[in-house]
Amino acid sequence: ELKVEQNPLFLSMQEGKNYTIYCNYSTTSDRLYWYRQDPGKSLESLFVLLSNGAVKQEGRLMASLDTKARLSTLHITAAVHDLSATYFCAVDEEYGGSQGNLIFGKGTKLSVKP
Amino acid sequence: KAGVTQTPRYLIKTRGQQVTLSCSPISGHRSVSWYQQTPGQGLQFLFEYFSETQRNKGNFPGRFSGRQFSNSRSEMNVSTLELGDSALYLCASSPRTPGGSYNSPLHFGNGTRLTVT
Repeated sequence: ELKVEQNPLFLSMQEGKNYTIYCNYSTTSDRLYWYRQDPGKSLESLFVLLSNGAVKQEGRLMASLDTKARLSTLHITAAVHDLSATYFCAVDEEYGGSQGNLIFGKGTKLSVKP
Repeated sequence: KAGVTQTPRYLIKTRGQQVTLSCSPISGHRSVSWYQQTPGQGLQFLFEYFSETQRNKGNFPGRFSGRQFSNSRSEMNVSTLELGDSALYLCASSPRTPGGSYNSPLHFGNGTRLTVT
């Protein structure tokens, strides 16, 4: 059974600081996705990582994927308050050609304080 | 382009009742998935449909069912509601096709918040 573990689950940061969220998973999948969820809102796609060594950056967020280590990281640079949200990683569990079966981590609740 | 639309946004039901939730995918998307989100279990996959066929089902009891129509709209039904069914139910659509590229992420709707009393 595919398991996806994120850490930390809670992260309180000061504005301007850097930090990394880790996502470990238990299979050899090379399809990993990062989503953001604001309170009371839906999930917003941040990054799609589809191969070993993939690196994507958008603003202050950078995501990478190491399929050999079964690890993805989401690095936050110079955090700002607007980044406060819950961040989820999800791994695509292919099943008989299925396309939409994502296994999610528990999420990392990020709070950026001035 | 309109996003994924879910109705209703909020529902309050009593134990033992049944409920139907609706999802309209982004135009052109033929793959629709459903997820349950609770504070305790997090986000869990319910089922996925493509071209009116259920392609995969998560580990939920048979009280949870769904279907997809020819216009790709989808409904999910929960019968004999239990208190533990209280959750945010999220629908997601994707332009992916079986055997196609995984480049596109799932696009989620705003969800239906179901409260069972």
